[in-house]
Amino acid sequence: GIQVEQSPPDLILQEGANSTLRCNFSDSVNNLQWFHQNPWGQLINLFYIPSGTKQNGRLSATTVATERYSLLYISSSQTTDSGVYFCATSGGYQKVTFGIGTKLQVIP
Amino acid sequence: DAGVTQSPTHLIKTRGQHVTLRCSPISGHKSVSWYQQVLGQGPQFIFQYYEKEERGRGNFPDRFSARQFPNYSSELNVNALLLGDSALYLCASSPGTSGGADTQYFGPGTRLTVL
Repeated sequence: GIQVEQSPPDLILQEGANSTLRCNFSDSVNNLQWFHQNPWGQLINLFYIPSGTKQNGRLSATTVATERYSLLYISSSQTTDSGVYFCATSGGYQKVTFGIGTKLQVIP
Repeated sequence: DAGVTQSPTHLIKTRGQHVTLRCSPISGHKSVSWYQQVLGQGPQFIFQYYEKEERGRGNFPDRFSARQFPNYSSELNVNALLLGDSALYLCASSPGTSGGADTQYFGPGTRLTVL
């Protein structure tokens, strides 16, 4: 199956700083999503982005499908951005594979 | 519109018991998937159902089973519980009509503790 690698595994930021999270995948995909998991375990959709670039407020994402990676940008980070960010993808019918996540801590 | 709902929120069982977890998808969604998330790891795919048929199965033992009902809600059953089954169980729904290229929406999860 598809392998998904995320980096970095842990990240500590000062409030207001910018960051880039990376997701590499091992095969061609037809589905790629970024999620934020809050401390209560809820997975919140950030982007559905199998290719191209999208922006939503302080967050943006880019997927380069031909080179098998996706990037999540967080600008002007806030303490509420803390949590775990997951990349998840599939190459076929919904057998979605998640990465191990990037644990982000934003300190005041 | 209501999002994905799961019940119960929390559950405590003992080894060897059986458990049933329930999920109601977003209205209009025909596909439901189940995931297990052990502390410190990403969710692991267990099952995916579409129109009451199993469309995919992850690497889980036969103690895990699921089904989808005519109203598209779903149950996940786990028999002969082991300590290692303690985890957050997540349900996701999607329209299911895009050949696998659907956005998945997750419920709040059921936290299962096996003692």
